[in-house]
Amino acid sequence: AAGVIQSPRHLIKEKRETATLKCYPIPRHDTVYWYQQGPGQDPQFLISFYEKMQSDKGSIPDRFSAQQFSDYHSELNMSSLELGDSALYFCASSSWTSGRGYNEQFFGPGTRLTVL
Amino acid sequence: DAKTTQPPSMDCAEGRAANLPCNHSTISGNEYVYWYRQIHSQGPQYIIHGLKNNETNEMASLIITEDRKSSTLILPHATLRDTAVYYCIVRAPHDNSGGSNYKLTFGKGTLLTVNP
Repeated sequence: AAGVIQSPRHLIKEKRETATLKCYPIPRHDTVYWYQQGPGQDPQFLISFYEKMQSDKGSIPDRFSAQQFSDYHSELNMSSLELGDSALYFCASSSWTSGRGYNEQFFGPGTRLTVL
Repeated sequence: DAKTTQPPSMDCAEGRAANLPCNHSTISGNEYVYWYRQIHSQGPQYIIHGLKNNETNEMASLIITEDRKSSTLILPHATLRDTAVYYCIVRAPHDNSGGSNYKLTFGKGTLLTVNP
């Protein structure tokens, strides 16, 4: 079965640079979530989109922005990178129309961002 | 969402049952108990969920107390590949309101180590 695809898998940037992370949800999934997991920490919710509209927002810095496109893929844009932005970034997708009547989120393998 | 409390770590012998407890004394009537796990640096993986009845699937069983204030995830025959951080998450169910506000709030979780 198709899974959530994230690219790139690894990314190295310098401070103050920008980065763009991409997420391709499972086909026919209508909701995308972004999570950040710092070293030794638990995943923290950043932002989510349902049908291309922002549906919820967590502790996402103002330097970050995200959007969901017409083909349902999503991009997380990160500017003025700081050392503290080094983390694993997970994308997850879900669909309430899956027929199972609940919201199971399927996670991608993550993008490991290192800011030097 | 209700707060959950889990032991920070547990050990289990390979082939034996692993019983992971979770306290959620402030759970609301419409909130479900979800379990996810995260194998080192991989994306979290859904395991099982329940409302008030015990549930079983191909991965695990979920036992919820009658007052719903606690639950236990049971891995009937733990293998080395089950070594992971297990997260108990309490959250309202997904409905047909459009997929908004269904983020997962990860707590500290339990690091289960399965030993040979």
